[in-house]
Amino acid sequence: DGGITQSPKYLFRKEGQNVTLSCEQNLNHDAMYWYRQDPGQGLRLIYYSQIVNDFQKGDIAEGYSVSREKKESFPLTVTSAQKNPTAFYLCASSIDDRNEAFFGQGTRLTVV
Amino acid sequence: GESVGLHLPTLSVQEGDNSIINCAYSNSASDYFIWYKQESGKGPQFIIDIRSNMDKRQGQRVTVLLNKTVKHLSLQIAATQPGDSAVYFCAENIRSNDYKLSFGAGTTVTVRA
Repeated sequence: DGGITQSPKYLFRKEGQNVTLSCEQNLNHDAMYWYRQDPGQGLRLIYYSQIVNDFQKGDIAEGYSVSREKKESFPLTVTSAQKNPTAFYLCASSIDDRNEAFFGQGTRLTVV
Repeated sequence: GESVGLHLPTLSVQEGDNSIINCAYSNSASDYFIWYKQESGKGPQFIIDIRSNMDKRQGQRVTVLLNKTVKHLSLQIAATQPGDSAVYFCAENIRSNDYKLSFGAGTTVTVRA
């Protein structure tokens, strides 16, 4: 089945630790995105990538980092510099930036 | 501003009735709009989209209307079913050199049996 897979579904992190969220897609999409969702709110763009080996900051990139070494993969690292990392993280992909984005099932990150 | 907003945060609908979810946007440069449905604990699902060269688009039980004059977007769901209970987001893509898909805060739809 074609799709976009995020792992893990739930993640717990101690304060001061970096953590990496995985996002893989087998849809052959060029564009990939990371969003953050807080309770009762919409989605805010963290980073996006329109092509392999290239990515741009979104609206709330501080405290996060990404890489795009392969077309299929767009991992997100939440660093210790992110002051309020507890949230629901959503990865998405699209054929290009002019068409709809398809979302994964999300990773819920909790800092303990 | 460039944000997308929804008129009402919650909507309660009787099963079998039609639902109308509204969305206002402020950026005249927006040229592509998408409606998503998000169930609890899951990622958003694509419902329907519309480009700015259209006023109306229909899917299965859903219709999206775009009024560019007043910068308003609506999603109509016919014969609402219990499975339609979810949070609905509108998103806009602003025509520019950089990709920007902006989301509103969402409308929570609850279907009453």
